[in-house]
Amino acid sequence: AQSVTQLDSQVPVFEEAPVELRCNYSSSVSVYLFWYVQYPNQGLQLLLKYLSGSTLVKGINGFEAEFNKSQTSFHLRKPSVHISDTAEYFCAVSEINSGGSNYKLTFGKGTLLTVNP
Amino acid sequence: EAGVTQSPTHLIKTRGQQATLRCSPISGHTSVYWYQQALGLGLQFLLWYDEGEERNRGNFPPRFSGRQFPNYSSELNVNALELEDSALYLCASSFPGRSEKTQYFGPGTRLLVL
Repeated sequence: AQSVTQLDSQVPVFEEAPVELRCNYSSSVSVYLFWYVQYPNQGLQLLLKYLSGSTLVKGINGFEAEFNKSQTSFHLRKPSVHISDTAEYFCAVSEINSGGSNYKLTFGKGTLLTVNP
Repeated sequence: EAGVTQSPTHLIKTRGQQATLRCSPISGHTSVYWYQQALGLGLQFLLWYDEGEERNRGNFPPRFSGRQFPNYSSELNVNALELEDSALYLCASSFPGRSEKTQYFGPGTRLLVL
């Protein structure tokens, strides 16, 4: 069974500072990897995804993430955060079945990023 | 392009009642997924519908059920509501015909059971 661990439940940073949100996963098969963001009282918005190919993926709002297969990690980074980045961030994995397809997402518990002025 | 829509935005019920939540996928998407986001439990997979059929369900009791209509919209029904069913219910949809199914989420329905 797949599982996702987000190592930090809360990350406070100052505006314009860099940030890294950590995500580790466990799975016996290949996976697709995703980061979603949830602003207060809203649904989930897709930030970026890793399917295959280059291990460094770029997403919206200046975020990027790097897939490390040996460490089973998919950490999210942004070089300079803004107040508007304050939100909860979820890492998710989706196992690829024998037919090459996937369906359900397994989420981490989330990391609350708070950007202070 | 319109995103995934859900209705109602908020729903208040009492214990023992039934709740019906609705979801319209992105135009062209044929798969619909339901997730529950409860305090302290995180986001959990509930159900997956594709082409009108239930394809898989998560670890939830049978009183959680649903269906998918010919226009690919979906309904989630929760019978015999319990206090712990209070949560944000999120619907997502994905495009057909691709092995990789990226899921796009709606704004959710917040269900409160009193």
